[in-house]
Amino acid sequence: SYVLTQPPSVSVAPGQTASIACGGAYIENKYVHWYQQIPGQAPILVVYDNSDRPSGIPERFSGSNSGSTATLTINRVEAGDEAGYFCQVWDGTSDHPVFGGGTKLTVL
Amino acid sequence: EVQLVESGGGLVQPGRSLKLSCAASGFTFDDYVMHWVRHSPGKGLEWVSSINSNSDTINYADSVKGRFTISRDNTRNSLYLQMNSLRAEDMALYYCVRDGGLINPLYYFDYWGQGTLVTVSS
Repeated sequence: SYVLTQPPSVSVAPGQTASIACGGAYIENKYVHWYQQIPGQAPILVVYDNSDRPSGIPERFSGSNSGSTATLTINRVEAGDEAGYFCQVWDGTSDHPVFGGGTKLTVL
Repeated sequence: EVQLVESGGGLVQPGRSLKLSCAASGFTFDDYVMHWVRHSPGKGLEWVSSINSNSDTINYADSVKGRFTISRDNTRNSLYLQMNSLRAEDMALYYCVRDGGLINPLYYFDYWGQGTLVTVSS
């Protein structure tokens, strides 16, 4: 089945930019979606279809997908952004949604 | 406001059954494909099952196929997951999730419930 690979952790200082990668075979041909999960809370969709933001999600959150890596970028990181971030795609071979293993973002 | 409220989780012995429910409100329930997604510390997020609006298209993850049954009652705005022959590896927080597409699925998840915890242990 299709595998999405994320780094286990990323650390960034407040006010800086965080980039979270998501790798997978031919991922540039797929729509990638991103979720934020703050501990104890349900996941929230922060980016869908590679780079679109749901209403209510700050413009600081953006996504891209090119080459062999999709990237979630968080500009001007705040303490409240500290959370787990998961990428997700639709795997046409298995006809199933697939999640990456998640990346814990730590705000220093 | 979209709300998804799960219930039915609990402690169950291996091999036994459990039925989860999800009460939906704040949107036209029968316009959407619905999913169950679970989260366990060891496996991360895992999609479990999906059902379309009139219940004629149903899919399962290989890990639960033949043991779990998804269903919905549009008259009650409710989603269900019947879990049989439960295993230790089924232990997780189970989320009721709405698909991001109106009528036709887009296979991303725009609203999540708070989850209900299933613990499988003797």
